[in-house]
Amino acid sequence: AQTVTQSQPEMSVQEAETVTLSCTYDTSESDYYLFWYKQPPSRQMILVIRQEAYKQQNATENRFSVNFQKAAKSFSLKISDSQLGDAAMYFCAYRSGLEGGSNYKLTFGKGTLLTVNP
Amino acid sequence: DTEVTQTPKHLVMGMTNKKSLKCEQHMGHRAMYWYKQKAKKPPELMFVYSYEKLSINESVPSRFSPECPNSSLLNLHLHALQPEDSALYLCASSRQAVTGTPTTQYFGPGTRLLVL
Repeated sequence: AQTVTQSQPEMSVQEAETVTLSCTYDTSESDYYLFWYKQPPSRQMILVIRQEAYKQQNATENRFSVNFQKAAKSFSLKISDSQLGDAAMYFCAYRSGLEGGSNYKLTFGKGTLLTVNP
Repeated sequence: DTEVTQTPKHLVMGMTNKKSLKCEQHMGHRAMYWYKQKAKKPPELMFVYSYEKLSINESVPSRFSPECPNSSLLNLHLHALQPEDSALYLCASSRQAVTGTPTTQYFGPGTRLLVL
């Protein structure tokens, strides 16, 4: 079974600074997808960024980028120019790339609570 | 457009009540999901519907009864709940689920349920 580990229960960053949230995962599969979801106090889960394991290029979405190290099974999220609205719980998630069966499931890490200080 | 809507936003119910949660998406997605989330915990999958058929039931108690009347709508019927069922209930959808290439799940804003 796959596992996702977020080793930082809480992080804080100053507004306009850069912060990196870590995520490691364990899998024996070669084809899979990784996600970062953001959940602000409103509790809606919002997709931040997605990475396909077969792509060597790291995904980026505006101020959000990932450092995907497939051999090390590491998938960290970098937030540049942090804004007050970035304050949220961030979940790292894994999904198999194989079709069918139980591969539908998202496996979530326990989350990292990010505080942005003005 | 990646919008999933859920109603109601908040719900308070007694242990003898019957209530329903509603989820809707108009993205043409053929897979819909129910998750339960306790405070400061990740979401836990409850049910998956694929092409309007129940594909996955993650050993959820029968007091939770899902229903998928059509490809855009997903309901969760609640009956005789316990206080420990109080949680945020999230709905999600994706283009495909248990068949085909796995696709990204998009979440609704959730229903915050309190069982007294």
